[in-house]
Amino acid sequence: ETGVTQSPTHLIKTRGQQVTLRCSSQSGHNTVSWYQQALGQGPQFIFQYYREEENGRGNFPPRFSGLQFPNYSSELNVNALELDDSALYLCASSLGLAASYEQYFGPGTRLTVT
Amino acid sequence: KNEVEQSPQNLTAQEGEFITINCSYSVGISALHWLQQHPGGGIVSLFMLSSGKKKHGRLIATINIQEKHSSLHITASHPRDSAVYICAPAHIDTDKLIFGTGTRLQVFP
Repeated sequence: ETGVTQSPTHLIKTRGQQVTLRCSSQSGHNTVSWYQQALGQGPQFIFQYYREEENGRGNFPPRFSGLQFPNYSSELNVNALELDDSALYLCASSLGLAASYEQYFGPGTRLTVT
Repeated sequence: KNEVEQSPQNLTAQEGEFITINCSYSVGISALHWLQQHPGGGIVSLFMLSSGKKKHGRLIATINIQEKHSSLHITASHPRDSAVYICAPAHIDTDKLIFGTGTRLQVFP
């Protein structure tokens, strides 16, 4: 049973560019949540996908968008990057929608915007 | 005011000491997770609680729903316990996790 994986591990982009981050969920998990963690802060919920549909979104602008594929892997896309988008981006998969399910986190993608 | 407050923010201990990390929240919740984050970013789920107490090895987590408070205890602390511990309740309205800023624990030999 493979765990949650994310790619790439590190990324440097320039302000205004676009970025795509990827997450492969744990086998059998149909729910993926994405989080942004700024340095020294706790993670902030971006959005959640369940069976390829968005199920809830945090306080992030529309330039943050996502997808979930039939194999339940997921992408996070960020357009028009801003300096404040520099953060660790984490995805977590779980067996179902309810927050009471155990969350399995990936190692994260560290994004630096210059 | 943050919806989730953790204390202390930083904690230093000698190996073998008993550690307590506290979490208070101001919203209704459906569940509460305790997470461990190591340098480099990886997060591991330690506990999910909706009531009472859970124990796993040297770790104990308790929750008091009426008082909106949870604690994480580490008995016989070890340098490998050094990490950031994050409290993450699930908001009862959205059923999504909201996170504290974490408690940074350093255990010295």
